[in-house]
Amino acid sequence: NAGVTQTPKFQVLKTGQSMTLQCAQDMNHEYMSWYRQDPGMGLRLIHYSVGAGITDQGEVPNGYNVSRSTTEDFPLRLLSAAPSQTSVYFCASSMTYSNQPQHFGDGTRLSIL
Amino acid sequence: GENVEQHPSTLSVQEGDSAVIKCTYSDSASNYFPWYKQELGKGPQLIIDIRSNVGEKKDQRIAVTLNKTAKHFSLHITETQPEDSAVYFCAASNVGSGGGADGLTFGKGTHLIIQP
Repeated sequence: NAGVTQTPKFQVLKTGQSMTLQCAQDMNHEYMSWYRQDPGMGLRLIHYSVGAGITDQGEVPNGYNVSRSTTEDFPLRLLSAAPSQTSVYFCASSMTYSNQPQHFGDGTRLSIL
Repeated sequence: GENVEQHPSTLSVQEGDSAVIKCTYSDSASNYFPWYKQELGKGPQLIIDIRSNVGEKKDQRIAVTLNKTAKHFSLHITETQPEDSAVYFCAASNVGSGGGADGLTFGKGTHLIIQP
């Protein structure tokens, strides 16, 4: 099993550009989520999904969109990148809800110039 | 919403000594408390977790204690080794309590340094 796979590992964007961060898991997990990690801030929840077709907002959802068309994939979209979105993004998955062991990917390091 | 405070931000201990990291939470409805270890360039990895109906849990050199009345929980690492050097995060979840987003609220992390 590959676990949780995130692509790309690194990305540099210009302000105003759009892009999609990919996240895929092969463990048949229902719950998937996106976090951003900033220096000295810990990890903060952006969006999450409890199953295909169901998504909801976390603590810091502004500027990000998500969709969940399959159990395996949970992409995160930046519609118009801003320097404040420079961060490391982590995708995580678990069997059902957040109160179960979360499996994290190795992150996407994103810089917005 | 939930707020999790973590202390200290940096902890340096001699190899073989014990390390203790403490966290407090604000939402009394929180019922799940995991600890994650993050190595440089990697995602967080779960090392131990505890639920609100348990006061203590141990796994070899790692233990977690929970005090629901005081709303704090702690990570204890005994006989520290060089490979224990990493950033450790505590977190809390209140899913099933009827309110808020279904996700983890993290502390800001503790950089644990094991001195040889």
